[in-house]
Amino acid sequence: QVQLQQWGAGLLKPSETLSLTCAVYGGSFSGYFWSWIRRPPGKGLEWIGDINRSGSTYFNPSLKSRVTISIDTSKSQFSLKLISLTAADTAVYFCARLYSARNQPWFDPWGQGTLVTVSS
Amino acid sequence: QSVLTQPPSASGTPGQRVTISCSGSSANIGRNYVYWYQEVPGTAPKLLIYRNNQRPSGVPDRVSGSKSGTSASLAISGLRSDDEADYYCATWDDSLGGPVFGGGTKLSVL
Repeated sequence: QVQLQQWGAGLLKPSETLSLTCAVYGGSFSGYFWSWIRRPPGKGLEWIGDINRSGSTYFNPSLKSRVTISIDTSKSQFSLKLISLTAADTAVYFCARLYSARNQPWFDPWGQGTLVTVSS
Repeated sequence: QSVLTQPPSASGTPGQRVTISCSGSSANIGRNYVYWYQEVPGTAPKLLIYRNNQRPSGVPDRVSGSKSGTSASLAISGLRSDDEADYYCATWDDSLGGPVFGGGTKLSVL
């Protein structure tokens, strides 16, 4: 049974950089895309981007200029960096496995979520 | 604004049937499979429906999904108190080149 566990700083100031890491336990790391998704307070889910074992990445165009997603296959971990934070980046951030092809948003399982608050 | 449109809230009494709609366009729902997720506050989202109307193992058959044209629906019958949650639809958007979600529907069991 694959499980995802994520961690990272939860309180950041405007202009700082968000950094989150997600570890994959109990299953194969290869053959899947690994994703980041966020949910701002009172709003719906928003796809941030994903990466596969080979390091191929895809990003939401609205965030592409500020996002980096990287992968460490030796540790079965993948990470998210989001620069130049503003209050609009306040959200619960989730990591997830993309279970099927990239054009099918079949996310399973998910990490537990990390509330990131951007405030001065 | 979310790419997919859902009603912000829905409600029903125990035992009732409730439906949640999800409206999109030809660039997303019209051409691609729809997925539904349940998010109970404080927990990670859980997949309820995949490929329009398929249930993962463990999801009861009182939960069903359907799709017609550029819209989709999630139906929950025999409503229970533990169905109270936020529900999100999702699909692929050919214009975006990535997955898109609805704004979420908060289901209350009165």
